[in-house]
Amino acid sequence: EIVMTQSPATLSVSPGERAILSCRASENINYNLAWYQQSPGQAPRLLISGASTRATGIPARFSGSGSGTEFTLTIDSLQSEDFGVYYCQQYGNWPLTFGGGTKVEIK
Amino acid sequence: EVQLAQSGAEVKKPGESLKISCKTSGYIFTRFWIAWVRQMPEKGLEFMGIIYPGDSDVRYSPSLQGHATISADKSIGTAYLQWSSLKASDTAIYYCARIPVLGDNYFDTWGQGTVVTVSS
Repeated sequence: EIVMTQSPATLSVSPGERAILSCRASENINYNLAWYQQSPGQAPRLLISGASTRATGIPARFSGSGSGTEFTLTIDSLQSEDFGVYYCQQYGNWPLTFGGGTKVEIK
Repeated sequence: EVQLAQSGAEVKKPGESLKISCKTSGYIFTRFWIAWVRQMPEKGLEFMGIIYPGDSDVRYSPSLQGHATISADKSIGTAYLQWSSLKASDTAIYYCARIPVLGDNYFDTWGQGTVVTVSS
């Protein structure tokens, strides 16, 4: 099973600043990585698939990069609605696995 | 619009059985895999398994296999997750989610979640 490790566990950011979230896979998953946002009390929402392709309706301030084992989600100019928990998920190997999440909180 | 509507919250006792549902709309149910994902209290997301409603092909995550069963009724566009004997450790929110691209197993649309509480 591929282990997904996200860092940091918590990120304190002021509105308007940039947030950079990391996700590392224990094995090569090529570009088979998705990012999700989960706001409090809500279901997860797809942000990014294929490591860098924004899902329909996702603002351009969200961008993904990386391949192989190292991936990054960047959120430019954080808005109030962006605070929550972010998860990466690999789909390059079975079983599918999620990272433990990064909580983005207001500084 | 693709939508997944899940059944309501459940409170059960250990040893009881339960079947929760995920009713889909806005797309052809039989052509897309559906996944179930667990989120235990204050924890992260855990993948449980997937089903292809077209032929009921089911694949489970090895870490969660054997305790819950995934099924689907293609006549009514609904997927199910069921237990024959619940444990306290099954207390969680359960989400269904659609896989939009065959072979690319990420989730583009999620249900609102079903809260399951198992307590004596």
